Amino acid sequence: QVQLQQSGAELVKPGSSVKISCKASGYTFTSYDMHWIKQQPGNGLEWIGWIYPGNGNTKYNQKFNGKATLTADKSSSTAYMQLSSLTSEDSAVYFCARKGLRSYYFDYWGQGVMVTVSS
Amino acid sequence: DIVLTQSPALAVSLGQRATISCRASQSVSISRYNLMHWYQQKPGQQPKLLIYRASNLASGIPARFSGSGSGTDFTLTINPVQADDIATYYCQQSRESYTFGAGTKLELK
Repeated sequence: QVQLQQSGAELVKPGSSVKISCKASGYTFTSYDMHWIKQQPGNGLEWIGWIYPGNGNTKYNQKFNGKATLTADKSSSTAYMQLSSLTSEDSAVYFCARKGLRSYYFDYWGQGVMVTVSS
Repeated sequence: DIVLTQSPALAVSLGQRATISCRASQSVSISRYNLMHWYQQKPGQQPKLLIYRASNLASGIPARFSGSGSGTDFTLTINPVQADDIATYYCQQSRESYTFGAGTKLELK
């Protein structure tokens, strides 16, 4: 069965960077876009961007240009998101989510990673 | 960006019908495709796909969930509401990029 297993919670200092992971299993990793979505405490969901692991193509929400960098490792079926120059506004839960083939919705989600930015 | 507007909360009684609405700032339909989708999220969990393309039930989702609508106005219906349905419900459009509504929290009356 399809599973997206994300890395553990992170406590990081302002101004630093963090890299979180999303390990996929149960499907052909290189055939599906992987998206990343942000959820701040008590808030809704905000789309960050996607990566197509098959060729590394990416697309970002303009708001996250320069903040988020998406990569993927085909050998380990793992997608990564690096967040840089962290501020308190980056404290949130970050989800990876698979977009279905030839579809426009997210059919499987990771369990989420809580990132807390605090000195 | 296409803005999706949802009511913040809805109170219902168990066994009754719940109707959750989502209005888009512009049409999210292309030809016969209505690019609106619905998710359920419980506290501490990831969102779960319920309905895709406005009216299609996702795999494993009970038939008491249904969706309808086109253009700018969409509805998620739960009938009858069960205790396990208490959660927050989000609409999401994929007509232009990807945006989500702010969510409707379904509460017990």
